[in-house]
Amino acid sequence: NAGVTQTPKFRILKIGQSMTLQCTQDMNHNYMYWYRQDPGMGLKLIYYSVGAGITDKGEVPNGYNVSRSTTEDFPLRLELAAPSQTSVYFCASLPVFAALVIYSPLHFGNGTRLTVT
Amino acid sequence: KNEVEQSPQNLTAQEGEFITINCSYSVGISALHWLQQHPGGGIVSLFMLSSGKKKHGRLIATINIQEKHSSLHITASHPRDSAVYICAGQFTDKLIFGTGTRLQVFP
Repeated sequence: NAGVTQTPKFRILKIGQSMTLQCTQDMNHNYMYWYRQDPGMGLKLIYYSVGAGITDKGEVPNGYNVSRSTTEDFPLRLELAAPSQTSVYFCASLPVFAALVIYSPLHFGNGTRLTVT
Repeated sequence: KNEVEQSPQNLTAQEGEFITINCSYSVGISALHWLQQHPGGGIVSLFMLSSGKKKHGRLIATINIQEKHSSLHITASHPRDSAVYICAGQFTDKLIFGTGTRLQVFP
C-alpha cells in the first residue's frame, strides 16, 4: 500500500496564481483532513471530509476550497494565492470514527511545501 | 470551542532521563492521538487512546478522561528520540492538534 500520497512536494507560486494540492489514499479511509503548518507552529485544520461527497470547514478555511468526489481523493484548491498561504500542507486520513475501533492510527502524507511570493 | 493544549513547548534532556509530555483538552473528545514529527517533517502515529494506558517499547501513553488530560512518557531517553511530539484530540469528526513539544535529548 502506498498510504497517503501528496503531490507536489514543493511549489513556488506568484501572488494571485491558483493551484491544486493533490492528496490520494489507497486504504479506503472515510476520514480525510487538510492541515497547514507554519514555521514553529502547530498543525491547523483547513478542511475535512467524512466521506465521498461530504466536506466541512476546519479552523482556517479562508482562501481554500476542497472537494471529495471519491473516497480516495481529497484535493485542496488555492484560488488566489497570497503570501499568508506560504506554509507546509499536510493531508491525513483515518479509517473510521475512533470509538468504533480499538486502534485507528492517523496516516499522514509527506507534506507539500508551498511558497507564495 | 475544541481546544488542545500541550506542555512544555520545549524540553531538553540527558540521555537516559525519563521524559513526560502533557496534553490537556476541552470537553467532547472521543479519542486522543500522540504523534511524532521528525526534523525532516514526516509525521507518524504513535498511539490512539480513548481510555487507560498503552505501551510500545520505551513509550507509554496514558489518558485520564475525568481530568481531560493525557501524558506521553519516554523511559530511558535516547538522542534518536529527539523530535517534535504532538497530541491531537478527536472531537466528533474534527481532529484538532496541540502546538507540539520539541524534545532534544543530548548524549
